[in-house]
Amino acid sequence: AQSVTQLDSQVPVFEEAPVELRCNYSSSVSVYLFWYVQYPNQGLQLLLKYLSGSTLVKGINGFEAEFNKSQTSFHLRKPSVHISDTAEYFCAVSDGTGGSYIPTFGRGTSLIVHP
Amino acid sequence: EAGVTQSPTHLIKTRGQQATLRCSPISGHTSVYWYQQALGLGLQFLLWYDEGEERNRGNFPPRFSGRQFPNYSSELNVNALELEDSALYLCASSFHPQPQHFGDGTRLSIL
Repeated sequence: AQSVTQLDSQVPVFEEAPVELRCNYSSSVSVYLFWYVQYPNQGLQLLLKYLSGSTLVKGINGFEAEFNKSQTSFHLRKPSVHISDTAEYFCAVSDGTGGSYIPTFGRGTSLIVHP
Repeated sequence: EAGVTQSPTHLIKTRGQQATLRCSPISGHTSVYWYQQALGLGLQFLLWYDEGEERNRGNFPPRFSGRQFPNYSSELNVNALELEDSALYLCASSFHPQPQHFGDGTRLSIL
């Protein structure tokens, strides 16, 4: 069975500082990995995805993530954050077990960017 | 390209009533997923429909049900509403194994 752990429930950071949101997963098979962002009163928007190939994945809004198979991690990074990046971030994993690609979501990390 | 659309945006019901939530997927997507996002609990998987059939359901009681229509749109029905059903209900669509695209949700409030 797949599972996702987002190690930080809340990450405060100052504007223009770098940030890393951590995500670890468990699965016994090959995985697909995703990061989503949720702004207040909205649904989830896909930031980036890892399906195969290069382990460094670049997404929208200047975010990137690195797939580390040996550490079963998929941490999200941004070198310089903006106030507008304040939102909830969700990591998700899908391993296609039994033909089902239903992703399992982490409980989310609230990124709070201070001026 | 139109995204996933959900209606209504907000829904207020009282305990014991029934609620119907609707979702239209992105054109070409045959799978529709429903999630419940209650405060502080993250996304809990409810139901997955593909090609008109229920393919999987999460750990929710049978009073949560739904269907998918021939045009791939979907309905989520919640019977005998309880206070703890208050949540944001999100619909997503996809075409395997590509990632899901989400709508903005229906906020269900139970008084």
